Amino acid sequence: DTEVTQTPKHLVMGMTNKKSLKCEQHMGHRAMYWYKQKAKKPPELMFVYSYEKLSINESVPSRFSPECPNSSLLNLHLHALQPEDSALYLCASSLPERNTEAFFGQGTRLTVV
Amino acid sequence: GENVEQHPSTLSVQEGDSAVIKCTYSDSASNYFPWYKQELGKRPQLIIDIRSNVGEKKDQRIAVTLNKTAKHFSLHITETQPEDSAVYFCAASKTAGNKLTFGGGTRVLVKP
Repeated sequence: DTEVTQTPKHLVMGMTNKKSLKCEQHMGHRAMYWYKQKAKKPPELMFVYSYEKLSINESVPSRFSPECPNSSLLNLHLHALQPEDSALYLCASSLPERNTEAFFGQGTRLTVV
Repeated sequence: GENVEQHPSTLSVQEGDSAVIKCTYSDSASNYFPWYKQELGKRPQLIIDIRSNVGEKKDQRIAVTLNKTAKHFSLHITETQPEDSAVYFCAASKTAGNKLTFGGGTRVLVKP
């Protein structure tokens, strides 16, 4: 299984809503990532988890809250988002050793209204 | 932090011709350089990568070269086909946990 699975594929939420994005992989990868991608732009790193511990937070606003319940799951909790947070949110995973391939999920297209 | 520049931003080629995309990076400690292809509405998918102890790598119609001294690396696609049309991203990383810094992307259009 070389898949990273993200749910939901699409999400529309109001600025007062609370929602969660989910990511799952069963490749034994111990590093997992959240990236944000705006249209016609490259992915931008948000968070990195290594061995279920948050190792990198790229100064992301607190309205985004990551969680890694176990080695296969990664969540991104969303609260009080702004319309400019609308984007494709990509999850990725890799072996935590240096210089290994990162596999991306298909993403969740988020629209904040 | 690392900064990756990618050129050109758009590239239009005739089917069968070659396409070349170039990237430069700023951090000499970077040692892993993957290339991702992203079709419209799809996920980025790794097409080839190169590590700093190698100068060139080839996989069928795709090749990547790395010049560590000049801090640049390039993607070469030969005998292009319409299905090569996509956005291509170069990236660089140096740390454990694979924190990737992406270039700005190149939109490639292969005309039949």
